Amino acid sequence: NAGVTQTPKFQVLKTGQSMTLQCAQDMNHEYMSWYRQDPGMGLRLIHYSVGAGITDQGEVPNGYNVSRSTTEDFPLRLLSAAPSQTSVYFCASSSPGLAVDEQFFGPGTRLTVL
Amino acid sequence: GNSVTQMEGPVTLSEEAFLTINCTYTATGYPSLFWYVQYPGEGLQLLLKATKADDKGSNKGFEATYRKETTSFHLEKGSVQVSDSAVYFCALNPSWGGGGNKLTFGTGTQLKVEL
Repeated sequence: NAGVTQTPKFQVLKTGQSMTLQCAQDMNHEYMSWYRQDPGMGLRLIHYSVGAGITDQGEVPNGYNVSRSTTEDFPLRLLSAAPSQTSVYFCASSSPGLAVDEQFFGPGTRLTVL
Repeated sequence: GNSVTQMEGPVTLSEEAFLTINCTYTATGYPSLFWYVQYPGEGLQLLLKATKADDKGSNKGFEATYRKETTSFHLEKGSVQVSDSAVYFCALNPSWGGGGNKLTFGTGTQLKVEL
């Protein structure tokens, strides 16, 4: 199993550009989430999904869109990038069938918006 | 709302020293508690967990006990190694509403272990 994979690993954007961060998991997990990690702030939840076709907002959703058309994939879209979105983005997945909802994290995407 | 407070770093220790990283939480109900570790350039990995009061999670020599009376989940290790250098995150999972993918994290504590 590859676990949770994310692409790209690094990305530089100009203000106003759009892009999609890809996330895929091969563990058949129902739950998937996107977090951003900023210095001194830990990880903050952007959006999450409890299954294909179902998404909801987390703590910091503004400026980001998500969709979940399959169990495996959960892309994060930046419609018009802003410098405030410079961060490291982590995707995670978990299954409600686990005894405790442990999340499995991808390696992250480091995004810089100029 | 839910929140997690952990001691600020960076923490610098000599090899074989004793480690404590404090973590306290605020939550309604009975959350599950976690410690995650992030090695340089990598994503987060689960280090240990506890699901109810007085549970002790342990892994790789690290331990943490779920203390409901003090709302704490402090991370300890008796003898740290250089390979333990990483950032450690305390986190909670709400006990209701299918909170499995809505973790609340602390700000992280960077640990550096020197020879």
